[in-house]
Amino acid sequence: GNSVTQMEGPVTLSEEAFLTINCTYTATGYPSLFWYVQYPGEGLQLLLKATKADDKGSNKGFEATYRKETTSFHLEKGSVQVSDSAVYFCALSGRGSGGSNYKLTFGKGTLLTVNP
Amino acid sequence: KAGVTQTPRYLIKTRGQQVTLSCSPISGHRSVSWYQQTPGQGLQFLFEYFSETQRNKGNFPGRFSGRQFSNSRSEMNVSTLELGDSALYLCASSLAATDGIQYFGAGTRLSVL
Repeated sequence: GNSVTQMEGPVTLSEEAFLTINCTYTATGYPSLFWYVQYPGEGLQLLLKATKADDKGSNKGFEATYRKETTSFHLEKGSVQVSDSAVYFCALSGRGSGGSNYKLTFGKGTLLTVNP
Repeated sequence: KAGVTQTPRYLIKTRGQQVTLSCSPISGHRSVSWYQQTPGQGLQFLFEYFSETQRNKGNFPGRFSGRQFSNSRSEMNVSTLELGDSALYLCASSLAATDGIQYFGAGTRLSVL
């Protein structure tokens, strides 16, 4: 079945530091890949996505590139801010157990804390 | 446009009781998915409904059930609550659930004592 593995953290950085959160996946076919973010007390929201190999998703200074050869989708940001403190989830969209419908499979999440 | 609304936000129940959680999706969205979020297991998929039909189901016992109404609002029910059911239950809606873009509510925090 489909699975997503991401570094579990927690990750603690100083403001303006470089961020990398690793994510690798296992899936059949050609899944779409996503990063979702969950701020304290809120639900998840989509941060960025990529739908095919070599696509780069980007949003709010975050980037991730769909690497089919390494089955990876690592999240990066060049200079983090205190407001980036949140839990980050890597996810893939692929066919569910029924074979005909799609569902999201999430990694376990990485808690990022950015200190001023 | 209003977002995904989940009610109630917090619930405290005791073992053996049952509970019903509600989710109102974004207007026009016909797909509603439910997830259980715990510190140990992360986000686990419960089930997905589209146009009142369950299309996908995760690996949860039959105590967990759901339904969707004609206006796309959804409920999930957990019967015979166990301590391990304590979690944040998240609902997400999407137009068709085929592109992976889902919009999440803030969740219902269930505590089972």
